[in-house]
Amino acid sequence: DAGVTQSPTHLIKTRGQQVTLRCSPKSGHDTVSWYQQALGQGPQFIFQYYEEEERQRGNFPDRFSGHQFPNYSSELNVNALLLGDSALYLCASSLGLVNTEAFFGQGTRLTVV
Amino acid sequence: QKEVEQNSGPLSVPEGAIASLNCTYSDRGSQSFFWYRQYSGKSPELIMSIYSNGDKEDGRFTAQLNKASQYVSLLIRDSQPSDSATYLCAVGPRGSTLGRLYFGRGTQLTVWP
Repeated sequence: DAGVTQSPTHLIKTRGQQVTLRCSPKSGHDTVSWYQQALGQGPQFIFQYYEEEERQRGNFPDRFSGHQFPNYSSELNVNALLLGDSALYLCASSLGLVNTEAFFGQGTRLTVV
Repeated sequence: QKEVEQNSGPLSVPEGAIASLNCTYSDRGSQSFFWYRQYSGKSPELIMSIYSNGDKEDGRFTAQLNKASQYVSLLIRDSQPSDSATYLCAVGPRGSTLGRLYFGRGTQLTVWP
């Protein structure tokens, strides 16, 4: 049973650049949520995708955007990168929109220099 | 603003002892509660979920929920050095923000042999 997979695992970008992170949910799951985890902090909700639509959004600027594909996989895009965007980006997979159990991928460590 | 508070620790216990981790939340309407374990540099791993008042046991782990007091806890019996990690409390709200999880900052647990 394939778990949640994310790519890449590590990434270094320069301020002002754009980045795309990818996530494939756990087999049987149809909902993908993205979280940002800064060092020493708990994960912060960015947004959630279900049926290829953004269903919920946290307190993140429009520089953060996403997409969900028909096979339920998802992308997170961040434009005009800032140093403060350096964090661990986590994809969480779940079934449906209600608060069922969410499983995380291994994360993408983004460093902006 | 929905808040989740955890005693930040660090919490240090000897091998074989009971480790007690606590979490309070501000949204009285919250309906789902989760504990995640996160090893340094890794992603969160779901270890317990609880939805109704009382205790839920799974192996060496017991989650306790008291909605009236807006309090959830995790007990780890017979603690092992491999339990050394940061434990994240996550709360799933009801209503307009259904579908996202709110996380505490985590409690760092060290189990010494």
